[in-house]
Amino acid sequence: DTAVSQTPKYLVTQMGNDKSIKCEQNLGHDTMYWYKQDSKKFLKIMFSYNNKELIINETVPNRFSPKSPDKAHLNLHINSLELGDSAVYFCASSQQTGSETQYFGPGTRLLVL
Amino acid sequence: AQSVTQLGSHVSVSEGALVLLRCNYSSSVPPYLFWYVQYPNQGLQLLLKYTSAATLVKGINGFEAEFKKSETSFHLTKPSAHMSDAAEYFCAVSESGGYQKVTFGTGTKLQVIP
Repeated sequence: DTAVSQTPKYLVTQMGNDKSIKCEQNLGHDTMYWYKQDSKKFLKIMFSYNNKELIINETVPNRFSPKSPDKAHLNLHINSLELGDSAVYFCASSQQTGSETQYFGPGTRLLVL
Repeated sequence: AQSVTQLGSHVSVSEGALVLLRCNYSSSVPPYLFWYVQYPNQGLQLLLKYTSAATLVKGINGFEAEFKKSETSFHLTKPSAHMSDAAEYFCAVSESGGYQKVTFGTGTKLQVIP
């Protein structure tokens, strides 16, 4: 059973389009995250939700909008895609923040042309 | 503010040799420290973590790390490298209290030479 799953795995799209990435975890965790990993492997947190409430919101363009319909799901919608949005986006979950282990999904590779 | 520095973006070792990946942290309060590994085209997975218990932490796949407060370090070691250890390794830090984010280092790519 996949603990943290993401769809789609690959996403190729044109500049200006709107796209969504979905994430689901079956670990019963309360906290979920979105990370962006750039071409140099630098990993930066974007958002975190705890029990459907936004708790961490880093400096991210407001073209990025997360949504958590329930604590097992955290989706990421991106409007007006730009070339610089090309990256790998990882979803993760943990029981709580701080000392808790984060469990990562396999990533969504986004390429904006 | 918390931060973590990984010295060496690339490390090469021979198969069977000692693996040493360096990590130094900065934190205003006692930190939680983590090492994660990322294999090609996969997500990150936890190798080990320090949460203020024993300062020598043993993880999966024969890795261990020692928390040294005086040196603000949390270096990752493995006595004998295996080809399957080739991957990207990330050190990370978090702080206690409230909703704390985890800050990741820039990663160290480990190459194992046969």
